[in-house]
Amino acid sequence: DTAVSQTPKYLVTQMGNDKSIKCEQNLGHDTMYWYKQDSKKFLKIMFSYNNKELIINETVPNRFSPKSPDKAHLNLHINSLELGDSAVYFCASSKEGAATGELFFGEGSRLTVL
Amino acid sequence: GENVEQHPSTLSVQEGDSAVIKCTYSDSASNYFPWYKQELGKGPQLIIDIRSNVGEKKDQRIAVTLNKTAKHFSLHITETQPEDSAVYFCAASITGSARQLTFGSGTQLTVLP
Repeated sequence: DTAVSQTPKYLVTQMGNDKSIKCEQNLGHDTMYWYKQDSKKFLKIMFSYNNKELIINETVPNRFSPKSPDKAHLNLHINSLELGDSAVYFCASSKEGAATGELFFGEGSRLTVL
Repeated sequence: GENVEQHPSTLSVQEGDSAVIKCTYSDSASNYFPWYKQELGKGPQLIIDIRSNVGEKKDQRIAVTLNKTAKHFSLHITETQPEDSAVYFCAASITGSARQLTFGSGTQLTVLP
């Protein structure tokens, strides 16, 4: 049983389009995250939600809008896609905050913007 | 904010040799230092962590050391095997703070058979 699952695994789309990535965790964790990993493998946090409430927004353009319908789901919607949005996006969850305990990552969603 | 530097960016070792990856951090208040392993096509996975009240921690072939005075910590893998080939990330944070984990830039470890 996959602990943190995200879909789709791959997205290829044109500049200007809108796309969504879905994430679900079955670990019963209260906190969920979105991370962006660029081509150099650098991992950068984008958002953090605790029990459906946004607690961290790391200066991400407002074209990116996370939505948490319940504490087991955190979806990411991206409007007006740009070339620089091409990356692998990871969803993660944790029982405690990331600063304190283990992060459980999904397998990633590779977004390619043409 | 916290800044974590990681070296080397790439590391190749012969199977059976040891591998060492080093990280330095900038914020002396940081007290939680996890290491994550990312295999190809997968998400990062925690392999070991250390808190500032200990100087060393071991788990089978993996060990982590922490020098709080110098603000650096290292990952040691002994008797490396091909399945150890992956990208390794160090990270640092202040336990219980709202500030998130800061990751290093990653080390691509290749274990040559």
